[in-house]
Parts: sequence; structure tokens; C-alpha cells
Amino acid sequence: GQNIDQPTEMTATEGAIVQINCTYQTSGFNGLFWYQQHAGEAPTFLSYNVLDGLEEKGRFSSFLSRSKGYSYLLLKELQMKDSASYLCAVLDSNYQLIWGAGTKLIIKP
Amino acid sequence: IAGITQAPTSQILAAGRRMTLRCTQDMRHNAMYWYRQDLGLGLRLIHYSNTAGTTGKGEVPDGYSVSRANTDDFPLTLASAVPSQTSVYFCASRGVVDTGELFFGEGSRLTVL
Repeated sequence: GQNIDQPTEMTATEGAIVQINCTYQTSGFNGLFWYQQHAGEAPTFLSYNVLDGLEEKGRFSSFLSRSKGYSYLLLKELQMKDSASYLCAVLDSNYQLIWGAGTKLIIKP
Repeated sequence: IAGITQAPTSQILAAGRRMTLRCTQDMRHNAMYWYRQDLGLGLRLIHYSNTAGTTGKGEVPDGYSVSRANTDDFPLTLASAVPSQTSVYFCASRGVVDTGELFFGEGSRLTVL
């Protein structure tokens, strides 16, 4: 079966750095997405990785290792507005997105 | 404003009633999707359409139907609502199936009593 695992909840301090991990087992791989979802709102796109390595976009970076079935999202200089759920999703061999359950990130002052 | 519009944003429905959730996009995206999101389960695909005139079943299609008469509209119908269909429903679209990001509507919160 297809499976994506990510921690249910994480807590971090404003100004700090946090890493949210995602491991996957899917039928084929055509890329990995990270989305941010604030409570009561729709998910919004953060990043897309299809090749191994680190992609940096401002305070957010996303890393992929295809051989390990592993990705992480790195958030630097945390701000209170970063409190949200972070969703990991893999594009499988049929180009359908398989979603993780999401990681709720709580930022404390 | 370009994007995806869903209606209604919130609805309380008696069990057994028929309900259609509307979804319209103006980005001329070929692919459209309906997801439900429940606490602790993440997004689950109900139905999808890769292009106008075609539809396909996702992970949890039972009790739901869709149609795709044109590029812009992708309504989701619950023929006879049941309490287990209480959820938040998101419509999404994608311009490029193999790599493109998903654009989501604001969601429709449905409560079936």
C-alpha cells in the first residue's frame, strides 16, 4: 500500500528553526510537495522537489532523498504566523497526489 | 480575481437529503479534484477529472458523484447524505498534471445530521 508518515504535532519557539520530516512509500514517484494550511483555510503551495537535494525559498527550505524515501521542510526564523499544519504529498506513478495527515506546528513566544 | 470558487461555504443538511457542492475555476485548468478532509486523516481524494468530459474515482468515491460538462465547472453531488459524510470538502485544480501545483478553493464545511 501507499503510505506517507509525518509527525502529528510539533512545538517550536518564535525565532528558532524547526524541521518537519516526511517519509513515504508509494507506487512510483514523480515529485514531492509541501503545503501549508492555516486553521479553517485551504492548503497553499510551499515547495516541490523531484530531484535529490535542497531547495531554498526564503525562510523555507525543502530537502529530498529519493533513495531513502525521505523529505524534510526546514523553517527558519520562525514567526507566529507560521503556526499552521504542514502537509506532505507525493505524486505517484499515476500522477495522483498521495497526502500525509499533516503536521500541526505550534509556535510559542 | 482568478482562482477557484466553491459554494456553499457551509451547510447543515438532514440525513437522506440530496446535496450538490459547486466548484468553478477560471484558470482554464484541465485537471480538477474533490477532496474531503477529516481530523487526523488528511486529504482524501473523492473523484477527479483530468479533462472536460472525463471523470475518475479516487480513494473514497462511495456515496458521491461528479460531472465535468465543461472546463470550468466540477460539481460534487451527495445523492442521499449520511452523517459519515460530515466533513470539509475542498475542490482543487491543476494546470499541468505531471508537475503542477494544486490550487484549492476555500472549502465547503458540510454537517449531516
